[in-house]
Amino acid sequence: GDSVTQMEGPVTLSEEAFLTINCTYTATGYPSLFWYVQYPGEGLQLLLKATKADDKGSNKGFEATYRKETTSFHLEKGSVQVSDSAVYFCALSFNFGNEKLTFGTGTRLTIIP
Amino acid sequence: EAGVTQFPSHSVIEKGQTVTLRCDPISGHDNLYWYRRVMGKEIKFLLHFVKESKQDESGMPNNRFLAERTGGTYSTLKVQPAELEDSGVYFCASSPLRGDPYNEQFFGPGTRLTVL
Repeated sequence: GDSVTQMEGPVTLSEEAFLTINCTYTATGYPSLFWYVQYPGEGLQLLLKATKADDKGSNKGFEATYRKETTSFHLEKGSVQVSDSAVYFCALSFNFGNEKLTFGTGTRLTIIP
Repeated sequence: EAGVTQFPSHSVIEKGQTVTLRCDPISGHDNLYWYRRVMGKEIKFLLHFVKESKQDESGMPNNRFLAERTGGTYSTLKVQPAELEDSGVYFCASSPLRGDPYNEQFFGPGTRLTVL
């Protein structure tokens, strides 16, 4: 079946450091790919998405590129802030989001000043 | 516009008891999804309603779980009888039937269920 594998956490970085959280997927067909974020005490929020190969999703300084050849969707940010501390989930879905989301295990990110 | 709301935020029950979780989707959203995250693992899909009909219930773990969405508005997820392994965070999400061009699922804050 479809699955998402993402980098084990927790990840701790200093403010202004470069962030990469790896995500790879296994799927039959061509899914849409997503990064969701859960800030402390809140629900999941869509951070960014890409619906086809070579698309780049971006939001709040975060970026991820849909790489079909490596079945990857790694999340990157050039300079993290304390406010980026959260749990990040990589996910896939079919039919432009009308079907269920398949999530990875989540990566807890802590940014220290 | 109000977001997806879930009630209760926390529930602590004993093994064998019954618990009912409620989800109120964003008004007008016909798609409603239930997910859960157990023991810090991945968030897993439970089921998907389109209006009041179950579109996909392939993720329901067993017949102790019963989901309903009467009238196509709010939904309830009942666990009866609860077992220890049911502990986790239950998330609800909703989306419109036809997005433009993509249907983003909007999530509620979750209900943390602890079965003792």
